Amino acid sequence: GAGVSQSPSNKVTEKGKDVELRCDPISGHTALYWYRQSLGQGLEFLIYFQGNSAPDKSGLPSDRFSAERTGGSVSTLTIQRTQQEDSAVYLCASSLASGSGETQYFGPGTRLLVL
Amino acid sequence: RKEVEQDPGPFNVPEGATVAFNCTYSNSASQSFFWYRQDCRKEPKLLMSVYSSGNEDGRFTAQLNRASQYISLLIRDSKLSDSATYLCVVEGSGGSYIPTFGRGTSLIVHP
Repeated sequence: GAGVSQSPSNKVTEKGKDVELRCDPISGHTALYWYRQSLGQGLEFLIYFQGNSAPDKSGLPSDRFSAERTGGSVSTLTIQRTQQEDSAVYLCASSLASGSGETQYFGPGTRLLVL
Repeated sequence: RKEVEQDPGPFNVPEGATVAFNCTYSNSASQSFFWYRQDCRKEPKLLMSVYSSGNEDGRFTAQLNRASQYISLLIRDSKLSDSATYLCVVEGSGGSYIPTFGRGTSLIVHP
């Protein structure tokens, strides 16, 4: 079946612009996670959804970052007034549920470059 | 101390070698442990879960040592295709299901 998809695959934007990143999880997966990975760095947790609610937003770096999920499916991560330090790969993952021990399936990521 | 620590490497080994990576975690309440593999410019993919009793999948063996708070991954008979970054993942600390990823250990298998 179809895996996790993300769009766009690459995004180049100018400092100060807003960007919106999209994630389509695997059908039936109730948990959805956003991470970012800077060059040569590990995965940094941003936010996760169980259904449409986000129990944990602790990883969002600033109030310029927000995310939503509708219909228990597609999620969008929005970065307002982008800064150069926002440049990274943004990865989305989904799992069947948010319980401990669930395998996460990752999308291919969106490579964001802020000039 | 970081929550999950890994030696970044790179580990540079010849084909056929046996190589082992360790990963330490700081929260003794952690419940679930995994190894993910990430190829260059690709997304992470689950390699194997790590069970308390240890588990084996072909050439790969994972072990958990709760007393010393580390997990290990052993790769026997290394193949060129094993070259990748191996990410240690720990979750379930304090009732949270947020997985914590290590920064990864880079493995290069050469002919």
